[in-house]
Amino acid sequence: NAGVTQTPKFRVLKTGQSMTLLCAQDMNHEYMYWYRQDPGMGLRLIHYSVGEGTTAKGEVPDGYNVSRLKKQNFLLGLESAAPSQTSVYFCASSKNRGGETQYFGPGTRLLVL
Amino acid sequence: DQQVKQNSPSLSVQEGRISILNCDYTNSMFDYFLWYKKYPAEGPTFLISISSIKDKNEDGRFTVFLNKSAKHLSLHIVPSQPGDSAVYFCAASPPFGNEKLTFGTGTRLTIIP
Repeated sequence: NAGVTQTPKFRVLKTGQSMTLLCAQDMNHEYMYWYRQDPGMGLRLIHYSVGEGTTAKGEVPDGYNVSRLKKQNFLLGLESAAPSQTSVYFCASSKNRGGETQYFGPGTRLLVL
Repeated sequence: DQQVKQNSPSLSVQEGRISILNCDYTNSMFDYFLWYKKYPAEGPTFLISISSIKDKNEDGRFTVFLNKSAKHLSLHIVPSQPGDSAVYFCAASPPFGNEKLTFGTGTRLTIIP
């Protein structure tokens, strides 16, 4: 039981490049989330999903897109990376509603030059 | 608009003493509160939670206190151990039907041997 895994662990992009961050969970959780963590800002919700095929915007969705084609996977896309998207990205999942315990992945560190 | 606030970015405590981490919230609709612990280069992990129907919840060395009238919660760690050195995030959720947690900005706890 791996829990929540994220790939890649670290990536460097040039401004304007695109990439996809992959999150996978093996706990059969309905809810999945993408957060970014920046110094002094805590964890801010980017997008989330309440089930396969559904997505919704969080607190800071601009510049990101997501897809949840399979229940166990939640993809975060950056179509045209900007230096402001330099951050650590965390994926999380929860069994039921988001207010319950969320289980986090180890994070992806992204540097946009 | 920071609905969950952790006003102390850092805290240092001697090993064996009590660590007290504080969190304030502004949204009176929040009814479920959680504390997460985060080590460097890892994702946050759930530590302890409390429902608004309680004012205290205890789990081993960790106790969370909730003061609804003051919109304040605190995490007590007794006795503090070197392994407790980490960043602690408090989080809050409104009643059932809302899928999101709102996180504070975190407090870095350092336990001094």
